[in-house]
Amino acid sequence: ETGVTQSPTHLIKTRGQQVTLRCSSQSGHNTVSWYQQALGQGPQFIFQYYREEENGRGNFPPRFSGLQFPNYSSELNVNALELDDSALYLCASSFELGNTEAFFGQGTRLTVV
Amino acid sequence: AQRVTQPEKLLSVFKGAPVELKCNYSYSGSPELFWYVQYSRQRLQLLLRHISRESIKGFTADLNKGETSFHLKKPFAQEEDSAMYYCALRPGSNYKLTFGKGTLLTVNP
Repeated sequence: ETGVTQSPTHLIKTRGQQVTLRCSSQSGHNTVSWYQQALGQGPQFIFQYYREEENGRGNFPPRFSGLQFPNYSSELNVNALELDDSALYLCASSFELGNTEAFFGQGTRLTVV
Repeated sequence: AQRVTQPEKLLSVFKGAPVELKCNYSYSGSPELFWYVQYSRQRLQLLLRHISRESIKGFTADLNKGETSFHLKKPFAQEEDSAMYYCALRPGSNYKLTFGKGTLLTVNP
């Protein structure tokens, strides 16, 4: 059984650019959630995908968007990057919705300069 | 809206001493409460959840609905317990985890 993997591990982008972060869910999991963790803060929910459909969204602007593919891997896209987007982005997968454990990836560290 | 508060950013204890990491929450309904842990250079992982009522690595946490608290306790801390601990809330079977800001626990020899 493979765990949740994220790529890339680190990334540096310039303000105004666009970025795509990738997540491979744990084997057998069909639900993926994305979180943003700013320095010194807890993870903050961005959105969740279940069976390729967005299932809920946190308080993030529309320039944060996502996709889930038939193999349940997922992408997080951020357009028009701002300095405040610098953070650790975490992906978590789980088996179905509801009362199930979320397994986290190691995260992608995004720095916007 | 739900909120999770961890009042201590840093907590330092000696090996063998009791440890309590505080967590308070605000939510109008009946939430699920969790403790997640992140050891140095490792990913965030679930430590325990209130519905399981388990003891994991010697840690326990009791949900106190009257005080809206879910404090994490261990009677005798070990050096390997040094880590970042996050309390999290999920409204029922809703999708979203709301995390506190975390408490960095250091257990000194």
